[in-house]
Amino acid sequence: KNQVEQSPQSLIILEGKNCTLQCNYTVSPFSNLRWYKQDTGRGPVSLTIMTFSENTKSNGRYTATLDADTKQSSLHITASQLSDSASYICVVSAGGGYNKLIFGAGTRLAVHP
Amino acid sequence: GAGVSQSPRYKVAKRGQDVALRCDPISGHVSLFWYQQALGQGPEFLTYFQNEAQLDKSGLPSDRFFAERPEGSVSTLKIQRTQQEDSAVYLCASSFEGSHNSPLHFGNGTRLTVT
Repeated sequence: KNQVEQSPQSLIILEGKNCTLQCNYTVSPFSNLRWYKQDTGRGPVSLTIMTFSENTKSNGRYTATLDADTKQSSLHITASQLSDSASYICVVSAGGGYNKLIFGAGTRLAVHP
Repeated sequence: GAGVSQSPRYKVAKRGQDVALRCDPISGHVSLFWYQQALGQGPEFLTYFQNEAQLDKSGLPSDRFFAERPEGSVSTLKIQRTQQEDSAVYLCASSFEGSHNSPLHFGNGTRLTVT
């Protein structure tokens, strides 16, 4: 069964600190992996998308890594800001006829002053 | 508008009522998806349209759920005889095409509460 698992479930950090969120997946066939940010009461917004051949991709203070051999990804947030408080969802696109996405349950990040 | 628009933002229904949730995708987007998101969980796939054709409805939880996109733009998700377990946020997303690397744009969802 295609699955995406994320850890930790929730995380509290102080403003200015760095953090790393983890994602493990068992999705086959694999097409790409995305990280989304979801603010409370809003829809998910794309941060990064990586294909099989990409190891890392950055978007400002967000850096995602992908190890396709071990089927693991991480999202590193540098110099956190209060506005980073949100859920971060790892999403894997399964190969096939169209863009079928498998979502993780997300990591809820709270950045405190 | 510039983004995916969903209405209503909130809907409270009594058990047994029918509800209709609307999604206005980004103009020109061919692909449209509906997802169901339970509290504290990631979205789960419900159904997929390419233009007006519903190509995959394998995620619809029961025959009480019905989706349509008759003219290939606006889509409606209808839930008949709502049950408490239908309470969730229903997200609509669209993309310009259906290929695997297409960016997916989400609306802010409709929060359905069945009492």
